[in-house]
Amino acid sequence: QQQVKQSPQSLIVQKGGISIINCAYENTAFDYFPWYQQFPGKGPALLIAIRPDVSEKKEGRFTISFNKSAKQFSLHIMDSQPGDSATYFCAASDFNKFYFGSGTKLNVKP
Amino acid sequence: ETGVTQSPTHLIKTRGQQVTLRCSSQSGHNTVSWYQQALGQGPQFIFQYYREEENGRGNFPPRFSGLQFPNYSSELNVNALELDDSALYLCASSSAGTSQETQYFGPGTRLLVL
Repeated sequence: QQQVKQSPQSLIVQKGGISIINCAYENTAFDYFPWYQQFPGKGPALLIAIRPDVSEKKEGRFTISFNKSAKQFSLHIMDSQPGDSATYFCAASDFNKFYFGSGTKLNVKP
Repeated sequence: ETGVTQSPTHLIKTRGQQVTLRCSSQSGHNTVSWYQQALGQGPQFIFQYYREEENGRGNFPPRFSGLQFPNYSSELNVNALELDDSALYLCASSSAGTSQETQYFGPGTRLLVL
């Protein structure tokens, strides 16, 4: 059973556009929701994270929107750049276990 | 500050063999988590070690086992390898025994089982 469902599987955005990736979860015990960026041949790197008592968190061009009642959260990348082209993973955790989504491959066209 | 390192980078084994993967945690971190990432999928949590003790385990069979040493480096051992064990194995270190501390991932070890 997949604990965290992520969509879309792939995304093509023009330079300067907004990239939006969505995730949904079922387990209400999850209390920490990070997003990771992974480039080919590298391990995932933490981008931004949110806790469920906050509905939105912004860091630079990256924003997490969190809807606790709908059990959904999303990543918005504003002014997307070709250097943002990577695979993005959402995750959810309860204490000491992480559950990752299946990933979204983002391609930002110049 | 030294980042998370893993060895080897690539490994080829045959079905039924045993393998040991190694991870050196980032300086100052006492927690190591191991993940399996199949091609095109997200990482799957295997287990976590905190201060040399297993501190949580995902849905992996007992033939996946681990160790953490006093210097907080860690090993992942997989016995009786199966074809489906072919994947990228990632370790991540953090400074406390909960996942809510930022985890720093290594580059991974790519294992191919033939």
